[in-house]
Amino acid sequence: DAGVIQSPRHEVTEMGQEVTLRCKPISGHDYLFWYRQTMMRGLELLIYFNNNVPIDDSGMPEDRFSAKMPNASFSTLKIQPSEPRDSAVYFCASSLDPGQPQHFGDGTRLSIL
Amino acid sequence: EDQVTQSPEALRLQEGESSSLNCSYTVSGLRGLFWYRQDPGKGPEFLFTLYSAGEEKEKERLKATLTKKESFLHITAPKPEDSATYLCAVQADSWGKLQFGAGTQVVVTP
Repeated sequence: DAGVIQSPRHEVTEMGQEVTLRCKPISGHDYLFWYRQTMMRGLELLIYFNNNVPIDDSGMPEDRFSAKMPNASFSTLKIQPSEPRDSAVYFCASSLDPGQPQHFGDGTRLSIL
Repeated sequence: EDQVTQSPEALRLQEGESSSLNCSYTVSGLRGLFWYRQDPGKGPEFLFTLYSAGEEKEKERLKATLTKKESFLHITAPKPEDSATYLCAVQADSWGKLQFGAGTQVVVTP
């Protein structure tokens, strides 16, 4: 079975540029989550969706971050403009329902120079 | 404020040397506690879910237990392939939101 698919796996860009991260959840999973992982803060939830609708975006750090889920099989996390402190590994995860385990993709390693 | 604390931060074991990892939590209204393993360059991989105190789950050399204040992940006779970072996460008042601990990095040497 295909797991959660994220792209790109690595992204290096310069400060001020727009960055778009992509995620394809596991088919049939109604919940999609975006996380950020850093050495200092660990794994933090940014936002999650249920049936393509954002439910909780309280973890989104600033207005520079935005996330969309236009359909059940695709989501994006966008940073505009990007800053060096946004450098981290960004993970997408999906689950069947909120009490079930979340299954993670292999992440996008983002470096902002 | 909800907190999830894992200890130790790092653990070095000889192959076959059993040990335990701790995850202590202070949350109101625990709905579930999740254990994951994470290999370098990979996303967290689900291991177990525990929902109530006294519950236990086993998978190969791993066994997870839960009390009202903490969870343990016991590794019995570990092998080098058990080397990974083990993360615990709690789901409290809000279904869906997981709060992760900082993880325990386990290295098993032959």
